[in-house]
Amino acid sequence: GDSVTQMEGPVTLSEEAFLTINCTYTATGYPSLFWYVQYPGEGLQLLLKATKADDKGSNKGFEATYRKETTSFHLEKGSVQVSDSAVYFCALSETNTGNQFYFGTGTSLTVIP
Amino acid sequence: DSGVTQTPKHLITATGQRVTLRCSPRSGDLSVYWYQQSLDQGLQFLIQYYNGEERAKGNILERFSAQQFPDLHSELNLSSLELGDSALYFCASSVEPGSGELFFGEGSRLTVL
Repeated sequence: GDSVTQMEGPVTLSEEAFLTINCTYTATGYPSLFWYVQYPGEGLQLLLKATKADDKGSNKGFEATYRKETTSFHLEKGSVQVSDSAVYFCALSETNTGNQFYFGTGTSLTVIP
Repeated sequence: DSGVTQTPKHLITATGQRVTLRCSPRSGDLSVYWYQQSLDQGLQFLIQYYNGEERAKGNILERFSAQQFPDLHSELNLSSLELGDSALYFCASSVEPGSGELFFGEGSRLTVL
């Protein structure tokens, strides 16, 4: 069945460091891919998405490219800030499975000044 | 503010009891999803409704039930509560399945003592 695997956390970085959070997926068809972010005490909110192969989603300095050949959707940011401290979830959704959303386990990021 | 409202925000109860969590989706959204977030199991999909009808079931226990009412709000009923049911319960909504984005509420934190 469909699933998402993302790198284990927690991740701790210094401010202005480069961030990569790995995400790989298994799907039967052609899913849409998402990154959601959960700030402390809040619900999840969409960070970025890509709906087909080679698409790049971007928002707030974060980017992720839909790589069909490696079934990956890694999240990157060139220079993290303290305000980026949050839990990041990779997710997929596809019509083959009734448009259900499958989430990864989440990766906690802490950015220290 | 995602537009999804969940009540109560916090709930403390005892083992064996029953509780009801309520969710009002964003205006215009027909689809409601329930998720359970616990420390050791990440974000688990429980159940989805679309326009009053059950659309999909995930890892929902038999002790749990849900429904979506004609005004589109949804309730999640948890009965015969156990310590392990302590978790954050999120509701999310979307215009319709496959619309590409879920909007999450802030969650209801349930503590079972």
